Amino acid sequence: QVQVVQSGADVKKPGASVKVSCQTSGYTFITYAVHWVRQAPGQRLEWMGWISPDNGHTKYSQKFQGRVTITRDASASTVYMDLSSLRYEDTAVYYCARAGSAWSIDYWGQGTLVTVSS
Amino acid sequence: QSALTQPPSASGSPGQSVTISCTGTSSDVGGYNYVSWYQQHPGKAPKLMIFEVNKRPSGVPDRFSGSKSGNTASLTVSGLQAEDEADYYCSSYADNNIHYVFGTGTKVTVL
Repeated sequence: QVQVVQSGADVKKPGASVKVSCQTSGYTFITYAVHWVRQAPGQRLEWMGWISPDNGHTKYSQKFQGRVTITRDASASTVYMDLSSLRYEDTAVYYCARAGSAWSIDYWGQGTLVTVSS
Repeated sequence: QSALTQPPSASGSPGQSVTISCTGTSSDVGGYNYVSWYQQHPGKAPKLMIFEVNKRPSGVPDRFSGSKSGNTASLTVSGLQAEDEADYYCSSYADNNIHYVFGTGTKVTVL
């Protein structure tokens, strides 16, 4: 069965960077894109970007352009999301999720809480 | 960042129906049949309920249905059950270099 497992919670200081990993299994890794979505406490879902694992091609939300980098290690079926220049308002749960049919998102990771605190 | 517009809340008694709207523009909802709906219970990851406007993934009850007219998509939950109480988000592919957008979210309460 498809599984999407993310790295654990992290605490960072303002201005630092965070890297969240997302290991997938149960399907052919290079066949499906992977999205990153975040959710600040009590707030809505917010799309950050996605990667095509076969060629590493990425698309980012304009809001995060320049601060977010999504990469992958096909040999490990793992995708990474790097967010730099962290601000207090970046405190959120970060989800990675597999792209399904017709621009849906069908399998979600458990979420990774990133807390930005001095 | 732009978001699709949803009503903040909706409610219904067990057995009744509730419909949630999701309004966008011709650059997203109105221009493509790439509307999805997600259910999210507190502290949990979202779950895909509807894709491509009106298709249900395997395992999603047929009480959940989707539709679209112009720039507005809708999710209807029929025969409300206690476990349907959750937040619901719509999403859509978007052009104009936006790529993908979620809705503002609707909290559904089963009275």
